[in-house]
Amino acid sequence: DTGVSQNPRHKITKRGQNVTFRCDPISEHNRLYWYRQTLGQGPEFLTYFQNEAQLEKSRLLSDRFSAERPKGSFSTLEIQRTEQGDSAMYLCASSLGGGQIDTQYFGPGTRLTVL
Amino acid sequence: AQSVTQLGSHVSVSEGALVLLRCNYSSSVPPYLFWYVQYPNQGLQLLLKYTTGATLVKGINGFEAEFKKSETSFHLTKPSAHMSDAAEYFCAVSDGRDDKIIFGKGTRLHILP
Repeated sequence: DTGVSQNPRHKITKRGQNVTFRCDPISEHNRLYWYRQTLGQGPEFLTYFQNEAQLEKSRLLSDRFSAERPKGSFSTLEIQRTEQGDSAMYLCASSLGGGQIDTQYFGPGTRLTVL
Repeated sequence: AQSVTQLGSHVSVSEGALVLLRCNYSSSVPPYLFWYVQYPNQGLQLLLKYTTGATLVKGINGFEAEFKKSETSFHLTKPSAHMSDAAEYFCAVSDGRDDKIIFGKGTRLHILP
């Protein structure tokens, strides 16, 4: 068990560019979550997957955001036409799923800075 | 809708003193409650969680929390603070349908020597 990993750890981009983040969950974890955390705030739910199916998306996830989890393993979060307001820490978590409130294990996050 | 309110964005305690971090929740259904800790440049780590049963929940690193339904509270305590406890702490709530968690804004704990 190597934990949840996220890449890259830091990303600096110019406004208008597209960025993609990757999350590798703990193996055999069926559920995968994306959260966004801005300075001085707690993590805010963006979306989650049960295996490869995306089951819920927050209203925070505008049309510029898309997440995928092909084959139910790793997941990617893409932001198109980035804006300065997208600057935040993007956190990924995974859980076994199927149980009653399985513990979510968080990765270290990807810090995005949009200039 | 569920929500969490953490009282105090910053709390300072002396090393060896009692740690008390306050959390109040709002939920229309019996809640599941959590405390997470976040150290600098690290991901969130679960300290403890309440699902059902015993209202006093013990977690890692000597922390515990008590679920008080009448007060809609889930305060986090530790009898004696250590320097290593300095971190940001998040209280969170879920309704249990899908593991989706709603976090509070966090409380940064400072330990004074």
